[in-house]
Amino acid sequence: GNSVTQMEGPVTLSEEAFLTINCTYTATGYPSLFWYVQYPGEGLQLLLKATKADDKGSNKGFEATYRKETTSFHLEKGSVQVSDSAVYFCALSDPESGGSNYKLTFGKGTLLTVNP
Amino acid sequence: SAVISQKPSRDICQRGTSLTIQCQVDSQVTMMFWYRQQPGQSLTLIATANQGSEATYESGFVIDKFPISRPNLTFSTLTVSNMSPEDSSIYLCSARDLTRAFFGQGTRLTVV
Repeated sequence: GNSVTQMEGPVTLSEEAFLTINCTYTATGYPSLFWYVQYPGEGLQLLLKATKADDKGSNKGFEATYRKETTSFHLEKGSVQVSDSAVYFCALSDPESGGSNYKLTFGKGTLLTVNP
Repeated sequence: SAVISQKPSRDICQRGTSLTIQCQVDSQVTMMFWYRQQPGQSLTLIATANQGSEATYESGFVIDKFPISRPNLTFSTLTVSNMSPEDSSIYLCSARDLTRAFFGQGTRLTVV
């Protein structure tokens, strides 16, 4: 079955530090990959996505590249801000295993705290 | 994009009782889902809420424990029945249109 393994947290960084949150996956087909973010007190929001190998998703300074050869989708940001403090979830959607249902399989989430 | 309102946002319930969580979407969506996030765990899909018919449950989840309704395209409820402390979790409603998925803020349930 499908699974997502995500870097364990919590991660604490100083402002302007470089961020990497690792994510690897197992899927039966050719999944789409996502990063979701949950800010304190808010619902999950889509941060970025990639739908095929070598695609790079980007948003708000965050980037992640779909690496089929290493089954990875690591999240990176060159200079984090205090406002980036949130929980980050890696997820996949594999139509091969769910028909057109596009169910999401999530990692456990990584809590990021950025200090001024 | 769709906005999802989920309520209650949190509740503390006695074991053996039931709680119904409501999910309202501000626009018509194709799919609605219910997830559970237990402490320290990832989000786990409970079921797909089907409009006008029985929900489709994932392995390990049954209708008697988690009855779900979806009377129209924008509203769904999840009931957690005969609760035990093991049901303490965050329950999330999700909706999907043709291009993306949206999530409610979640219901934090504590069973005592």
